[in-house]
Amino acid sequence: GESVGLHLPTLSVQEGDNSIINCAYSNSASDYFIWYKQESGKGPQFIIDIRSNMDKRQGQRVTVLLNKTVKHLSLQIAATQPGDSAVYFCAENLYNFNKFYFGSGTKLNVKP
Amino acid sequence: DTGVSQDPRHKITKRGQNVTFRCDPISEHNRLYWYRQTLGQGPEFLTYFQNEAQLEKSRLLSDRFSAERPKGSFSTLEIQRTEQGDSAMYLCASSPVTGTGQDTQYFGPGTRLTVL
Repeated sequence: GESVGLHLPTLSVQEGDNSIINCAYSNSASDYFIWYKQESGKGPQFIIDIRSNMDKRQGQRVTVLLNKTVKHLSLQIAATQPGDSAVYFCAENLYNFNKFYFGSGTKLNVKP
Repeated sequence: DTGVSQDPRHKITKRGQNVTFRCDPISEHNRLYWYRQTLGQGPEFLTYFQNEAQLEKSRLLSDRFSAERPKGSFSTLEIQRTEQGDSAMYLCASSPVTGTGQDTQYFGPGTRLTVL
């Protein structure tokens, strides 16, 4: 499958700061992306998604940005909290292929 | 809880034994997926079903692996003659079919398999 990679394997931030997690994808035909949060011993939890016809999407405290020109995805978390500590994965989906390709994840550590 | 459920949550077995895992998807979801996740890596696709039909299998799914979804509801994943390399988290996900080709997948808690 196509590779989905993350620039930083570990990110440490202070509680209350904003966090930015980056992701590069290699398949320009990918048209749907999801950010998942995975806590230790649990399955991935849906955070936010974005379709390829959008550049930006906002949720509660989270924003996803998509730059199709450079095939880059980012997740911004505002006012990071200790409960945000987890591994974050971006996943890409090719239209009608019905499966997601995941990167290796970025671990977010939030320091109190 | 109306999310995806998996059973058991943990399984320890000896090499050569057979194991079976169960997944119950979100009730109105037509599609069900199996992924495998090893430590420090993202989930890797294994196979998926639309209703009771198994529509795709990854090359990762060797002949020792078989998955079923007999009534289009719950699914089972069986691994025969387990090997130590099968040790991983086995994740199940489900999604509705929206017709857009962009269907959000919701994951269960996973089954952690340890092969001794």
